[in-house]
Amino acid sequence: GNSVTQMEGPVTLSEEAFLTINCTYTATGYPSLFWYVQYPGEGLQLLLKATKADDKGSNKGFEATYRKETTSFHLEKGSVQVSDSAVYFCALSDPRFQGAQKLVFGQGTRLTINP
Amino acid sequence: GAGVSQSPSNKVTEKGKDVELRCDPISGHTALYWYRQRLGQGLEFLIYFQGNSAPDKSGLPSDRFSAERTGESVSTLTIQRTQQEDSAVYLCASSRVGGTHYTEAFFGQGTRLTVV
Repeated sequence: GNSVTQMEGPVTLSEEAFLTINCTYTATGYPSLFWYVQYPGEGLQLLLKATKADDKGSNKGFEATYRKETTSFHLEKGSVQVSDSAVYFCALSDPRFQGAQKLVFGQGTRLTINP
Repeated sequence: GAGVSQSPSNKVTEKGKDVELRCDPISGHTALYWYRQRLGQGLEFLIYFQGNSAPDKSGLPSDRFSAERTGESVSTLTIQRTQQEDSAVYLCASSRVGGTHYTEAFFGQGTRLTVV
């Protein structure tokens, strides 16, 4: 079945450090890929997405590229800020559900940025 | 409302009791989803409603779990005879459905259920 495996946390970095959170997936067909973020005390929010191979999703300085050959969608940011502290979830949409959002999530990675 | 609303935000219940969790989706969103997040784990899909179609219940973990949705509005998730392993954050999400086009799912803040 479909599954997502992401880097285990917690991850602690200093401000302005480079961030990578690894995510790999297993899926039949061609899923869309997502990164969601959950800031403290808030609901889950979509951070970025990519809907086909070689697409790059980007938002708020974060980027992730859909790599079909390595079945990966790693999240990167060149210079993190304290406000980026949150839990990050990698997810894929079940490709059998076009136009809908039946999502398969990774276990989440807690990121803490120290000033 | 502006977003997906869930209630209650926190619920503590005794083992063996029944609980009802409520979700108000964004107006106009025909698709509604329930997910569960147990401590230290990712989100697990529970159930999906789309318009008047039969719901996809493939993620419900046991027959103690059920959910209803009236039209394209409120949904309730019911857990009967709660067990300690039911303790989790229950998240609701809604989205439009646009044929073959991607549509973003918006999540509520969740209900934290603790079974003691």
